[in-house]
Amino acid sequence: QKEVEQNSGPLSVPEGAIASLNCTYSDRVSQSFFWYRQYSGKSPELIMSIYSNGDKEDGRFTAQLNKASQYVSLLIRDSQPSDSATYLCAVKGPGAGSYQLTFGKGTKLSVIP
Amino acid sequence: ETGVTQSPTHLIKTRGQQVTLRCSSQSGHNTVSWYQQALGQGPQFIFQYYREEENGRGNFPPRFSGLQFPNYSSELNVNALELDDSALYLCASSLGATNRVNTGELFFGEGSRLTVL
Repeated sequence: QKEVEQNSGPLSVPEGAIASLNCTYSDRVSQSFFWYRQYSGKSPELIMSIYSNGDKEDGRFTAQLNKASQYVSLLIRDSQPSDSATYLCAVKGPGAGSYQLTFGKGTKLSVIP
Repeated sequence: ETGVTQSPTHLIKTRGQQVTLRCSSQSGHNTVSWYQQALGQGPQFIFQYYREEENGRGNFPPRFSGLQFPNYSSELNVNALELDDSALYLCASSLGATNRVNTGELFFGEGSRLTVL
């Protein structure tokens, strides 16, 4: 049974601070890792994908992957109130034909003005 | 570029009824996946369609079925509705082919929120 674990939160950070979101996964053969943002009542929106160990930066967002520790994280720098949402970590196994993602339950982030 | 569209956005059914949800995939995307998201949970994979064939299924009973049409649009059908079927049903499209690199990136529609009474 593939599992993806996230702290449910809520995680509260002041505006301008760095928000750090963490995720662990159980399936060692997982190859693709994603962070989705989901506003209340809306559908998930892809914000970051990462496929190899190390850091990947995109604007204020940095994804970090450590396959040996089976750990993925998302850093949000200069957090804004508009970043307040639930952040879903998702993991995909190997195989070119599969689009089955295993999602965590999400971490709710609140950015306090 | 047209995004993923789903209909209806909200619907209410009673236990034992049947429901059909519809999805139009993003332009150029030939693979459609369906996910169920219960309140407070992450999305759970129901099944995936590629070239009108089911190409992967999660841990859902047979009363969950689907179709994909030649234009890549898709339907999710749920028979004999149960109270626990109340959830947000998400359709996601992606560009997939077994002979190309599959990044796994999914693009979701806005979802159909089903309430079963």
